[in-house]
Parts: sequence; structure tokens; C-alpha cells
Amino acid sequence: RKEVEQDPGPFNVPEGATVAFNCTYSNSASQSFFWYRQDCRKEPKLLMSVYSSGNEDGRFTAQLNRASQYISLLIRDSKLSDSATYLCVVTHQTGANNLFFGTGTRLTVIP
Amino acid sequence: EAGVAQSPRYKIIEKRQSVAFWCNPISGHATLYWYQQILGQGPKLLIQFQNNGVVDDSQLPKDRFSAERLKGVDSTLKIQPAKLEDSAVYLCASSLAPTLNSPLHFGNGTRLTVT
Repeated sequence: RKEVEQDPGPFNVPEGATVAFNCTYSNSASQSFFWYRQDCRKEPKLLMSVYSSGNEDGRFTAQLNRASQYISLLIRDSKLSDSATYLCVVTHQTGANNLFFGTGTRLTVIP
Repeated sequence: EAGVAQSPRYKIIEKRQSVAFWCNPISGHATLYWYQQILGQGPKLLIQFQNNGVVDDSQLPKDRFSAERLKGVDSTLKIQPAKLEDSAVYLCASSLAPTLNSPLHFGNGTRLTVT
């Protein structure tokens, strides 16, 4: 079983829509959780960390459900510039920054 | 601040040939990583350095891949001999420290095509 699983999409949504991505992880000892964004032919960039209590950054909300071992990312009021691949990332190795990436979910926001 | 620098940007080689990639991390970043990203997949860690020592190389195919960071700054990743399935983007990343609170900064990557 993969460390991290995501629906690859693609998700095609109109501008202004709300879209949610989910991600599941297999290792219950996983410690830290992140969402990265990767534009086409570009490198991944950290979008936000995911905290147990849930956290929000502008139009983006991330949530963690440890009992069910899933992470979600909600994007409100989608913009054209949100079009990208969103990578779910977990780590479960103490003392080393070893990140396990999902395959990514591709989002296209349509005018 | 200057970002993570990688070269070359693109490389096309034939199978069984050798290839090397170079990475210069952000100044002061002690931890350096090499990731392989195959088309349609997420990045997969190949090797992690802390200064000039290897922290994790469990997923590095050591029969053909090698990496070094001799002076704890620049790093090179080599493939010898290359196979068709090595076609991928090779991403270098660095962080200040090998802790979960130290975000990774990725370079632009080297896109390798093996024919």
C-alpha cells in the first residue's frame, strides 16, 4: 500500500467555485502533514502545513483527521491562478526531514 | 536570497550512457536532498545529506546511482549506466535543518530523457 494516496483528478472547476481535495496516509505514526503546490514544469513549493486543529490561510483551509488518517484541502473562491497540482505530503520519521509525497491532484480553474 | 541552483536544466542521453547532475543549495542550508519525480507521480526521495554525511539513501538504486556532497555544500548525482525507466525530473532540495519544522526549498530540477 502506498504511503500517501490522492485522487489524481483532474478537477476542472469554474472561477469562484469551492473545491476540496482529500488525501489518505497509511502509517498511523505519521507526524507532520503538508500541502505543496506544483505548477506545470516547475518545482514543488510549500503551500501550507496541516495542524491537528485545522488551519486556514486566506482562501485555503487544511484539516487533519488522525482517526481516519486523512488530510483535506479546501479552496474557496477559486482563481485562475490556483490551477496547479496539489501534493499531499506526510512524514513519519523522527529526526529526519523525510517527506512522503502523494501523486498529486491536478486542478484547473476555468474562466 | 538566491534559491537552489541545479544544472543542467535538460539532458537527453541514450540508455547505458552515464549522466551527472549538479546542485548548489541555498547558502547555509545544512540538509540537502535529491528527489526523483517520474511523470504523473509525486517526488520520491533518493538520498538525504546532512552536511557531507548521508542520512538516508534507502531508496537509492545503488547499483547505478551514486551521490556525493564532499565539502558539505554542492552535490552531484550520477547515474551509470542509465536505463529507460530513469527518465524523470531530478529535483534537488535544501533545508536549514533536518527537522520537520524546516521547510524544503526545491530547485528547478533537471529533466532527464533516456532514449
